[in-house]
Amino acid sequence: EVQLVESGGVVVQPGGSLRLSCAASGFTFDDYAMHWVRQAPGKGLEWVSLISWDGGSTYYADSVKGRFTISRDNSKNSLYLQMNSLRAEDTALYYCAKEGLAYRSGSYEDYWGQGTLVTVSS
Amino acid sequence: EIVLTQSPGTLSLSPGERATLSCRASQSVSSSYLAWYQQKPGQAPRLLIYGASSRATGIPDRFSGSGSGTDFTLTISRLEPEDFAVYYCQQYGSSPPTFGPGTKVDIK
Repeated sequence: EVQLVESGGVVVQPGGSLRLSCAASGFTFDDYAMHWVRQAPGKGLEWVSLISWDGGSTYYADSVKGRFTISRDNSKNSLYLQMNSLRAEDTALYYCAKEGLAYRSGSYEDYWGQGTLVTVSS
Repeated sequence: EIVLTQSPGTLSLSPGERATLSCRASQSVSSSYLAWYQQKPGQAPRLLIYGASSRATGIPDRFSGSGSGTDFTLTISRLEPEDFAVYYCQQYGSSPPTFGPGTKVDIK
């Protein structure tokens, strides 16, 4: 059974930094690209970032480019999102999601974690 | 980036009725790379349809997807009580992938 468990969400001040983690199990982690998708309270879904199965390629939404960094450790079956220069508009539930197709970067997401809440507030 | 518009915003129906949800793209979606997700309150999104018309693993056949180019449809043939939720379309044919604003299906 595929499981994705996010952690690291807290309340942080504007301008602060945070690192989210996602622990994956139930599938061959290093065969699949991974995504971060966020959802502001009461709002819709916004794709944030993608990393290829080998970590060699990364992609970002314009809204986070230059501030967020996605990474992965295939030896630990883990995905990360380093978030710097946080803004109030980054407040959201952050989901880790698995790419639907092996060895592809940028298809649908077939499994999602339950999310971790990041609140940016003074 | 491709902007997706979903209609209606809210669909009020009774169990057993047919639901038809629309997703329109601001430009053609490459290779019908369009997905549909269901989200219930307090839960993560669940993949229903990918490639515009292929059902994901374990999805009942009352859910079907159709369309191409800029116009796509999700149909729920007979609504079950557990189908009342918010539905999002997503295009993944062009970078960045984008989601529609969602259609809420609620009980009439």
